[in-house]
Amino acid sequence: EDKVVQSPLSLVVHEGDTVTLNCSYEVTNFRSLLWYKQEKKAPTFLFMLTSSGIEKKSGRLSSILDKKELFSILNITATQTGDSAVYLCAPNTNAGKSTFGDGTTLTVKP
Amino acid sequence: GAGVSQSPSNKVTEKGKDVELRCDPISGHTALYWYRQSLGQGLEFLIYFQGNSAPDKSGLPSDRFSAERTGGSVSTLTIQRTQQEDSAVYLCASSLGSGGVYEQYFGPGTRLTVT
Repeated sequence: EDKVVQSPLSLVVHEGDTVTLNCSYEVTNFRSLLWYKQEKKAPTFLFMLTSSGIEKKSGRLSSILDKKELFSILNITATQTGDSAVYLCAPNTNAGKSTFGDGTTLTVKP
Repeated sequence: GAGVSQSPSNKVTEKGKDVELRCDPISGHTALYWYRQSLGQGLEFLIYFQGNSAPDKSGLPSDRFSAERTGGSVSTLTIQRTQQEDSAVYLCASSLGSGGVYEQYFGPGTRLTVT
């Protein structure tokens, strides 16, 4: 059975701090790993990672994948209160099926 | 352009009744997914449609749950004889294709409460 573990489950930081969110996975027929941000209801897409060691970057957010050790990290630098959300990690199989982790709840205090 | 839409946004039903949840994917998206999210939990995969292929139903929790996708577009998730443990937010998502290299676009969800 495919398995995804995210850590920490929750995190409270102050504005300006840097955070690292972790995702480890065991997925048969792995094809890609996606990160989503969920603020209220609908998750929104952040990154798709398919190759090891290639950092994806968008503003203050960056992510990297290690296909040998089966994990990914999501970094957020200079956090802002608007970064408060649940961050979900979802490895995909080559058939397109996603398995989501339970998420990391990030709270950024002013 | 229009995103994924779901209806109703909220549904309260009595235990034992049947419910139908609807999802309208983004036009042109061939893949459609249903997930369930209980409070404080991640997304639980339910079912996945890709084009004309047989759907992947491996996540449906019981035979009370079924889904169909008509004309490769709109999808309906049906829960028969609802139970209190079915209470959750049901999220639908669509993607441009499959093969594990497309991001999913999510609808706002239907919050189901079974009393």
